[in-house]
Amino acid sequence: RKEVEQDPGPFNVPEGATVAFNCTYSNSASQSFFWYRQDCRKEPKLLMSVYSSGNEDGRFTAQLNRASQYISLLIRDSKLSDSATYLCVVNPSGNTPLVFGKGTRLSVIA
Amino acid sequence: DTEVTQTPKHLVMGMTNKKSLKCEQHMGHRAMYWYKQKAKKPPELMFVYSYEKLSINESVPSRFSPECPNSSLLNLHLHALQPEDSALYLCASSQVIGTEAFFGQGTRLTVV
Repeated sequence: RKEVEQDPGPFNVPEGATVAFNCTYSNSASQSFFWYRQDCRKEPKLLMSVYSSGNEDGRFTAQLNRASQYISLLIRDSKLSDSATYLCVVNPSGNTPLVFGKGTRLSVIA
Repeated sequence: DTEVTQTPKHLVMGMTNKKSLKCEQHMGHRAMYWYKQKAKKPPELMFVYSYEKLSINESVPSRFSPECPNSSLLNLHLHALQPEDSALYLCASSQVIGTEAFFGQGTRLTVV
């Protein structure tokens, strides 16, 4: 089983839609979790850290389910500018580098 | 200021050339990373420096040689590269290994 798994998509959604991505991780000792966004031919940018209690930033909500070892990202009221690849990123255990999922492509269509 | 600066932004080099990629951060981060990214793939870890010491080398060929002159700078020296080494090379930094990482804009490298 890969360390971090994501559905590659693409997810094609109309403007204004709500879309959710899930990501599973294999190491139950994983300590911290992040969502990054990467636009075409640009660098990954930190979108949100994911906390045990869940967190929300505007239209974006991230949740962690430790029991089932998955994290999720919910985007409400999708905008054209949300079109990007969303990378699920996990710190497997303390002093180790972050592990990246393969990314989920989102296209928001007018 | 969450900025990591990489130069150059684009580089075309021949297979016999020697070139260097540069990365700088002034956030006081003690971990710095080099990643390689091919189209439609996630970033692939190459090297990790922690407190200016090489901590991880992910079995990268010796034609890639990292250097950390001080806590703010990270270089990647390139020599005798192959066309398949063409990719986006990303530098990143974080407070310590494993915390959220901030990426530079990358160097788009083409080997001809």
